[in-house]
Amino acid sequence: NAGVTQTPKFQVLKTGQSMTLQCAQDMNHNSMYWYRQDPGMGLRLIYYSASEGTTDKGEVPNGYNVSRLNKREFSLRLESAAPSQTSVYFCASSEAYAGGGLSGANVLTFGAGSRLTVL
Amino acid sequence: GIQVEQSPPDLILQEGANSTLRCNFSDSVNNLQWFHQNPWGQLINLFYIPSGTKQNGRLSATTVATERYSLLYISSSQTTDSGVYFCAVYGGKLIFGQGTELSVKP
Repeated sequence: NAGVTQTPKFQVLKTGQSMTLQCAQDMNHNSMYWYRQDPGMGLRLIYYSASEGTTDKGEVPNGYNVSRLNKREFSLRLESAAPSQTSVYFCASSEAYAGGGLSGANVLTFGAGSRLTVL
Repeated sequence: GIQVEQSPPDLILQEGANSTLRCNFSDSVNNLQWFHQNPWGQLINLFYIPSGTKQNGRLSATTVATERYSLLYISSSQTTDSGVYFCAVYGGKLIFGQGTELSVKP
């Protein structure tokens, strides 16, 4: 049981290049998320997908697009990378949308992270 | 939007010591989670605790939702407890605090 798998683990881009970060989960979770982590700023939500077929903006969506390809996969695309997008990116999933309720189904499981450097 | 503040920002302990980490939030929440990020970057969920108290081994957490705070207790700390501890609350989105960086010295 792999949990949440992100690829690639490391990537170096030049300004203006595009790339896609892939995320897949094998836990049959309904909800998936993309976060970025920058020094001293904790984790900030980029986009999320509460259920298959839906996507919504998080705190810092500018410069990114997402695709919920199916229930297992949620990709994050940088169309024209900028140095400000240098960061560590984390994908996460949860059985139910982490928006609320008293159910433990909202617990997030994270992938190992993808370190992106934009020169 | 909801604000999440964690304290202290940094903490250095000797192995065997106890510690309390705090998470304050600015509005009522119905989803609060504690995470540990180890020195290799892996994020692991410790507790889902929108209210009440839970314990898991040497770790326990208490959330007093009416007073808008949560506490994470670490007893008899070990070097493997080192890393960054985050709380996350739901405020329209699942918002993370900036974390408490814990270093446990042997």
